[in-house]
Amino acid sequence: DIVMTQSPDSLTVSLGERATINCKSSQSVLYSSNNKNYLAWYQQKPGQPPKLLIHWASTRESGVPDRFSGSGSGTDFTLTISSLQAEDVAVYFCQQYYGTPPTFGPGTKIDVK
Amino acid sequence: EVQLVQSGAEVRKPGESLTISCKTSGYDFTSNWITWVRQMPGKGLEWMGRIDPNDSNNNYSPSFQGHVIISADKSTNTVYLHWASLKASDTAIYFCARRARRIGAFDYWGQGTLVSVSS
Repeated sequence: DIVMTQSPDSLTVSLGERATINCKSSQSVLYSSNNKNYLAWYQQKPGQPPKLLIHWASTRESGVPDRFSGSGSGTDFTLTISSLQAEDVAVYFCQQYYGTPPTFGPGTKIDVK
Repeated sequence: EVQLVQSGAEVRKPGESLTISCKTSGYDFTSNWITWVRQMPGKGLEWMGRIDPNDSNNNYSPSFQGHVIISADKSTNTVYLHWASLKASDTAIYFCARRARRIGAFDYWGQGTLVSVSS
């Protein structure tokens, strides 16, 4: 199985400040035939299911605010929230869907300072 | 509007059987795989397995193979997750999620079903 790791485990950020989460996969999730990284980011708020924010490592889902951005390739990825809003308090998970089983990172909890 | 609506919370004793459901609507049921994901209390997300509703072909994580069965009913656009014999360690929230055919990530999720197993 591809093992996903995330750092940090938790993050406290002031409103309006930048938040950055790192995700690393144990092997490359870049599919050479289409040059796409099979990496997604999800947001989970308390009591809710996860919500898909980004797929292909950097493509935002429809309706996701542009303060959320994804970057990276191969084995190293980043989710950035450019200006944290109160409604962004949540746990964020990365996921690879390159291999079977699809695997998730352990999550990063973001709180407001 | 795409919706995945799961059955309600369940309480069972160890050794009992259980089936929970995920009713889909708003899209062609046979066009997208449905997966089940486990979230143990305060923990992360674990992929359990998936089904192709078109032909009921399954694929399970080794961690769950032989302990759960995923099935689908095309007449009701519903996917099921079944345990024949629950363990206390099955206590968790279970989510169904639709795998987006074009991108492969999970684009729509059910609200979750809490399963509590205790003697």
